Amino acid sequence: AQRVTQPEKLLSVFKGAPVELKCNYSYSGSPELFWYVQYSRQRLQLLLRHISRESIKGFTADLNKGETSFHLKKPFAQEEDSAMYYCALRRGGGATNKLIFGTGTLLAVQP
Amino acid sequence: GAVVSQHPSWVICKSGTSVKIECRSLDFQATTMFWYRQFPKQSLMLMATSNEGSKATYEQGVEKDKFLINHASLTLSTLTVTSAHPEDSSFYICSARGTSGDTYNEQFFGPGTRLTVL
Repeated sequence: AQRVTQPEKLLSVFKGAPVELKCNYSYSGSPELFWYVQYSRQRLQLLLRHISRESIKGFTADLNKGETSFHLKKPFAQEEDSAMYYCALRRGGGATNKLIFGTGTLLAVQP
Repeated sequence: GAVVSQHPSWVICKSGTSVKIECRSLDFQATTMFWYRQFPKQSLMLMATSNEGSKATYEQGVEKDKFLINHASLTLSTLTVTSAHPEDSSFYICSARGTSGDTYNEQFFGPGTRLTVL
């Protein structure tokens, strides 16, 4: 079965400090991995996906198949990064490719 | 673009009544929509996958007779919580997956509906 694990419920850092939000997954096939973000009182929105290999708002995430991880990183945290972050997995292709979410990590960036 | 709306944003009802929640993709077509449930300080739990013109696919442990899903058009899916009870109180979120262009195969989320059953 597919599973996404985010070990930290809360991550508190100071502004300017590096951030790493951990995500591990279990899936035997080739997954698609995503990071979603939910700012206070806003809807869930896509932050980035592994296949795009992009940097959004200074965040990057690399898929490590050997460690089955997809950690989200940012070198210098900003206060506006404070939000709930969800890692999600989707089976590649097919009509049943639904998103499986991790439990989420609340990132709090202190001034 | 790619906006998903939900109506109502919140609803309070008496135990035993039924409540309908609408999910609309405003500027794109979605053959597939998803319904999630989120408990306080917990993750999104997928309840069912709604396919336009066909029966919804429910996740294990979700009662299909309790949570009726209808996806009658490419822009509208509804979730009806029948004979609601206090344990059904939750935050219900829908998501629509685009079928073409910039929205292809990407899921866009609605703002959620807060259901409180008294």
